[in-house]
Amino acid sequence: AQSVTQLGSHVSVSEGALVLLRCNYSSSVPPYLFWYVQYPNQGLQLLLKYTTGATLVKGINGFEAEFKKSETSFHLTKPSAHMSDAAEYFCAVSGSSNTGKLIFGQGTTLQVKP
Amino acid sequence: DSGVTQTPKHLITATGQRVTLRCSPRSGDLSVYWYQQSLDQGLQFLIQYYNGEERAKGNILERFSAQQFPDLHSELNLSSLELGDSALYFCASSRTGSYGYTFGSGTRLTVV
Repeated sequence: AQSVTQLGSHVSVSEGALVLLRCNYSSSVPPYLFWYVQYPNQGLQLLLKYTTGATLVKGINGFEAEFKKSETSFHLTKPSAHMSDAAEYFCAVSGSSNTGKLIFGQGTTLQVKP
Repeated sequence: DSGVTQTPKHLITATGQRVTLRCSPRSGDLSVYWYQQSLDQGLQFLIQYYNGEERAKGNILERFSAQQFPDLHSELNLSSLELGDSALYFCASSRTGSYGYTFGSGTRLTVV
Protein backbone atom coordinates (compact mmCIF):
# COMPACT_ATOMS: atom_id res chain seq x y z
CA ALA A 1 0.00 0.00 0.00
CA GLN A 2 1.08 3.54 -0.64
CA SER A 3 0.54 6.77 1.25
CA VAL A 4 1.77 10.35 1.10
CA THR A 5 2.27 12.93 3.81
CA GLN A 6 2.74 16.56 2.96
CA LEU A 7 4.20 18.49 5.84
CA GLY A 8 2.52 21.85 6.23
CA SER A 9 -0.89 22.60 4.79
CA HIS A 10 0.10 26.23 4.24
CA VAL A 11 3.49 27.66 3.30
CA SER A 12 4.12 31.37 2.92
CA VAL A 13 7.22 32.82 1.26
CA SER A 14 8.27 36.21 -0.01
CA GLU A 15 8.67 36.82 -3.71
CA GLY A 16 12.21 35.85 -4.70
CA ALA A 17 12.68 33.51 -1.74
CA LEU A 18 13.30 29.79 -1.85
CA VAL A 19 10.26 27.57 -2.08
CA LEU A 20 10.40 24.24 -0.24
CA LEU A 21 7.35 21.99 -0.08
CA ARG A 22 7.83 18.75 1.80
CA CYS A 23 6.55 15.34 0.85
CA ASN A 24 7.19 11.98 2.46
CA TYR A 25 5.86 8.75 1.09
CA SER A 26 5.28 5.20 2.13
CA SER A 27 5.33 2.44 -0.43
CA SER A 28 5.72 -1.31 -0.31
CA VAL A 29 7.05 -1.34 -3.86
CA PRO A 30 9.46 0.96 -5.71
CA PRO A 31 7.50 4.18 -5.97
CA TYR A 32 6.68 6.45 -8.80
CA LEU A 33 6.36 9.99 -7.45
CA PHE A 34 4.65 13.07 -8.78
CA TRP A 35 4.01 16.70 -7.99
CA TYR A 36 0.90 18.40 -9.31
CA VAL A 37 -0.19 22.04 -9.07
CA GLN A 38 -3.75 23.28 -8.89
CA TYR A 39 -4.61 26.91 -9.58
CA PRO A 40 -7.96 28.23 -8.35
CA ASN A 41 -10.95 26.81 -10.20
CA GLN A 42 -8.76 24.62 -12.37
CA GLY A 43 -7.77 20.99 -12.63
CA LEU A 44 -4.46 19.54 -11.58
CA GLN A 45 -1.43 20.05 -13.80
CA LEU A 46 1.62 17.81 -13.70
CA LEU A 47 4.73 19.66 -12.52
CA LEU A 48 7.21 16.80 -12.55
CA LYS A 49 7.57 13.09 -12.00
CA TYR A 50 10.11 10.56 -10.83
CA THR A 51 9.94 7.11 -12.32
CA THR A 52 13.43 5.64 -12.56
CA GLY A 53 16.95 6.91 -13.17
CA ALA A 54 18.20 10.31 -12.03
CA THR A 55 16.95 11.16 -8.58
CA LEU A 56 16.92 14.92 -9.22
CA VAL A 57 13.98 15.70 -11.42
CA LYS A 58 13.38 18.99 -13.16
CA GLY A 59 9.88 20.11 -14.00
CA ILE A 60 8.03 23.03 -15.45
CA ASN A 61 8.14 26.62 -14.20
CA GLY A 62 11.58 26.20 -12.60
CA PHE A 63 10.53 23.57 -10.06
CA GLU A 64 12.58 20.53 -9.21
CA ALA A 65 12.39 17.65 -6.75
CA GLU A 66 14.83 15.12 -5.41
CA PHE A 67 13.95 11.51 -4.69
CA LYS A 68 15.70 10.35 -1.51
CA LYS A 69 15.01 6.71 -0.90
CA SER A 70 16.78 6.63 2.47
CA GLU A 71 14.56 9.44 3.74
CA THR A 72 11.44 8.33 1.80
CA SER A 73 11.12 11.92 0.67
CA PHE A 74 10.37 13.79 -2.53
CA HIS A 75 10.52 17.48 -1.59
CA LEU A 76 9.69 20.14 -4.16
CA THR A 77 11.89 23.22 -4.49
CA LYS A 78 12.21 26.37 -6.53
CA PRO A 79 15.10 28.79 -6.01
CA SER A 80 13.09 31.99 -6.40
CA ALA A 81 9.33 32.30 -5.90
CA HIS A 82 7.15 34.29 -8.25
CA MET A 83 3.72 35.67 -7.48
CA SER A 84 2.33 33.35 -10.14
CA ASP A 85 3.48 30.32 -8.12
CA ALA A 86 0.70 30.88 -5.60
CA ALA A 87 -1.43 27.75 -5.84
CA GLU A 88 -2.07 24.41 -4.18
CA TYR A 89 0.52 21.71 -4.63
CA PHE A 90 -0.08 17.99 -4.37
CA CYS A 91 2.43 15.20 -3.99
CA ALA A 92 1.34 11.78 -5.22
CA VAL A 93 2.66 8.24 -5.28
CA SER A 94 1.93 5.28 -7.46
CA GLY A 95 3.18 1.77 -6.95
CA SER A 96 2.46 0.67 -10.48
CA SER A 97 4.46 1.12 -13.63
CA ASN A 98 1.94 2.97 -15.75
CA THR A 99 -1.78 2.74 -15.31
CA GLY A 100 -1.81 2.36 -11.55
CA LYS A 101 -3.83 4.77 -9.46
CA LEU A 102 -2.21 7.73 -7.78
CA ILE A 103 -2.53 8.34 -4.07
CA PHE A 104 -2.41 12.04 -3.26
CA GLY A 105 -1.29 13.92 -0.22
CA GLN A 106 -3.55 16.46 1.42
CA GLY A 107 -2.00 19.33 -0.45
CA THR A 108 0.02 22.40 0.48
CA THR A 109 -1.20 25.89 -0.27
CA LEU A 110 1.66 28.15 -1.29
CA GLN A 111 1.23 31.85 -0.61
CA VAL A 112 3.72 34.26 -2.18
CA LYS A 113 3.97 37.67 -0.56
CA PRO A 114 5.18 40.72 -2.48
CA ASP B 1 -6.84 22.64 -22.68
CA SER B 2 -5.54 19.39 -21.21
CA GLY B 3 -7.42 17.20 -23.68
CA VAL B 4 -9.61 15.67 -20.98
CA THR B 5 -13.14 17.06 -21.21
CA GLN B 6 -15.59 17.02 -18.34
CA THR B 7 -19.20 18.08 -18.49
CA PRO B 8 -20.99 19.82 -16.99
CA LYS B 9 -18.64 22.28 -15.27
CA HIS B 10 -21.17 23.13 -12.59
CA LEU B 11 -24.18 21.26 -11.29
CA ILE B 12 -26.63 22.26 -8.60
CA THR B 13 -29.17 19.73 -7.50
CA ALA B 14 -31.34 18.81 -4.54
CA THR B 15 -30.84 16.11 -1.95
CA GLY B 16 -32.14 12.74 -3.00
CA GLN B 17 -31.61 13.39 -6.69
CA ARG B 18 -29.41 11.56 -9.20
CA VAL B 19 -26.84 13.11 -11.51
CA THR B 20 -24.47 11.92 -14.21
CA LEU B 21 -21.04 13.37 -14.76
CA ARG B 22 -19.33 12.81 -18.07
CA CYS B 23 -15.69 12.53 -19.01
CA SER B 24 -14.00 12.23 -22.41
CA PRO B 25 -10.38 11.13 -22.04
CA ARG B 26 -7.45 12.47 -24.00
CA SER B 27 -7.16 10.88 -27.43
CA GLY B 28 -5.31 7.57 -27.17
CA ASP B 29 -5.72 7.20 -23.42
CA LEU B 30 -7.32 3.94 -22.36
CA SER B 31 -7.46 4.51 -18.60
CA VAL B 32 -9.95 6.80 -16.89
CA TYR B 33 -9.85 7.67 -13.21
CA TRP B 34 -12.41 9.46 -11.08
CA TYR B 35 -11.49 11.51 -8.02
CA GLN B 36 -13.53 13.46 -5.50
CA GLN B 37 -12.02 16.61 -4.02
CA SER B 38 -13.49 18.14 -0.90
CA LEU B 39 -12.10 20.45 1.75
CA ASP B 40 -12.19 17.89 4.52
CA GLN B 41 -11.21 14.74 2.60
CA GLY B 42 -8.79 16.11 0.04
CA LEU B 43 -8.38 14.20 -3.22
CA GLN B 44 -9.97 10.79 -2.89
CA PHE B 45 -9.63 8.12 -5.53
CA LEU B 46 -13.02 6.71 -6.49
CA ILE B 47 -12.60 4.29 -9.37
CA GLN B 48 -10.51 3.41 -12.42
CA TYR B 49 -11.52 1.96 -15.76
CA TYR B 50 -9.20 0.56 -18.37
CA ASN B 51 -10.49 -0.01 -21.89
CA GLY B 52 -14.03 -0.52 -20.69
CA GLU B 53 -13.32 -2.67 -17.66
CA GLU B 54 -13.16 -1.74 -14.02
CA ARG B 55 -9.52 -1.89 -12.92
CA ALA B 56 -9.44 -0.52 -9.37
CA LYS B 57 -11.88 0.73 -6.80
CA GLY B 58 -11.26 3.21 -4.04
CA ASN B 59 -13.46 5.00 -1.56
CA ILE B 60 -16.52 4.94 -3.73
CA LEU B 61 -19.90 4.87 -2.04
CA GLU B 62 -22.48 2.27 -3.02
CA ARG B 63 -24.72 5.13 -4.16
CA PHE B 64 -22.09 5.96 -6.78
CA SER B 65 -21.36 3.96 -9.91
CA ALA B 66 -19.35 4.44 -13.06
CA GLN B 67 -18.79 2.91 -16.45
CA GLN B 68 -16.59 3.32 -19.46
CA PHE B 69 -18.13 3.00 -22.88
CA PRO B 70 -16.67 1.49 -26.10
CA ASP B 71 -15.70 4.96 -27.32
CA LEU B 72 -13.74 5.25 -24.01
CA HIS B 73 -15.75 8.09 -22.53
CA SER B 74 -16.80 7.51 -18.95
CA GLU B 75 -19.74 8.46 -16.80
CA LEU B 76 -19.96 8.75 -13.05
CA ASN B 77 -23.46 8.31 -11.66
CA LEU B 78 -24.27 9.71 -8.24
CA SER B 79 -27.63 8.84 -6.72
CA SER B 80 -29.60 9.58 -3.56
CA LEU B 81 -27.47 12.66 -3.21
CA GLU B 82 -26.66 14.06 0.20
CA LEU B 83 -25.33 17.45 1.24
CA GLY B 84 -21.97 15.83 1.94
CA ASP B 85 -21.60 14.80 -1.68
CA SER B 86 -21.00 18.41 -2.62
CA ALA B 87 -17.48 18.46 -4.01
CA LEU B 88 -15.33 18.81 -7.08
CA TYR B 89 -15.26 15.65 -9.15
CA PHE B 90 -12.26 15.19 -11.37
CA CYS B 91 -11.68 12.81 -14.19
CA ALA B 92 -8.18 11.96 -15.35
CA SER B 93 -6.82 9.78 -18.10
CA SER B 94 -3.56 8.06 -18.90
CA ARG B 95 -2.10 5.86 -21.58
CA THR B 96 -0.21 2.61 -21.35
CA GLY B 97 3.50 3.22 -21.01
CA SER B 98 3.23 6.74 -19.67
CA TYR B 99 3.37 7.88 -16.10
CA GLY B 100 0.98 10.12 -14.29
CA TYR B 101 -2.36 11.43 -15.36
CA THR B 102 -3.86 14.26 -17.33
CA PHE B 103 -6.71 15.85 -15.43
CA GLY B 104 -9.85 17.47 -16.65
CA SER B 105 -11.01 20.77 -15.20
CA GLY B 106 -13.60 19.09 -13.01
CA THR B 107 -17.31 19.23 -12.30
CA ARG B 108 -18.34 21.21 -9.26
CA LEU B 109 -21.37 19.54 -7.70
CA THR B 110 -23.45 21.43 -5.19
CA VAL B 111 -26.21 19.56 -3.38
CA VAL B 112 -28.78 21.81 -1.71
